[in-house]
Amino acid sequence: EAGVTQSPTHLIKTRGQQATLRCSPISGHTSVYWYQQALGLGLQFLLWYDEGEERNRGNFPPRFSGRQFPNYSSELNVNALELEDSALYLCASSGAGTGSETQYFGPGTRLLVL
Amino acid sequence: ELKVEQNPLFLSMQEGKNYTIYCNYSTTSDRLYWYRQDPGKSLESLFVLLSNGAVKQEGRLMASLDTKARLSTLHITAAVHDLSATYFCAVLVSYNTDKLIFGTGTRLQVFP
Repeated sequence: EAGVTQSPTHLIKTRGQQATLRCSPISGHTSVYWYQQALGLGLQFLLWYDEGEERNRGNFPPRFSGRQFPNYSSELNVNALELEDSALYLCASSGAGTGSETQYFGPGTRLLVL
Repeated sequence: ELKVEQNPLFLSMQEGKNYTIYCNYSTTSDRLYWYRQDPGKSLESLFVLLSNGAVKQEGRLMASLDTKARLSTLHITAAVHDLSATYFCAVLVSYNTDKLIFGTGTRLQVFP
């Protein structure tokens, strides 16, 4: 069974640009989560999508946004990039949005902002 | 807000030795997860602990949960080099948010 996939694996942008990161969940999973792993800040929760709706977001500014498509894949958009947005962005999926399922993580997209 | 603390942050241990990683959290939660991360890689799920007193074992790793003490432990038995990685505990905030709060991670290095 295929796991969570993410694209691209690496992304290099300059300050002020926009970045789009993509995630495909495990087949049958309806919930998608985004996390940021930045140096020195650890893993931080960004967004949770379930059944196409944004269910919860972490302590991040509005320039971090996303969406979930009818096939449950998801996109994370980061507008007006700042240097401190450089991080590994991890997507996870789970089978139900009730907290009863393990979140399985994808390989991540490493974003570098110059 | 829920805080999750792990210790130690770094652990260098000899092959064959035993050691325990501790994960403390600040508010009530009944779901605790342990993940492993190899350098440059994503997170691999190790254990899900669902209730007080839960104990799970896989190979040389054993995880336990004490919800009253708000403490989980990850015990390593007779460490081998392949266990070298960073280990994270993560606590579920609540069912409605599905938000995982991660600990700082424990970087484990096992040497011969």
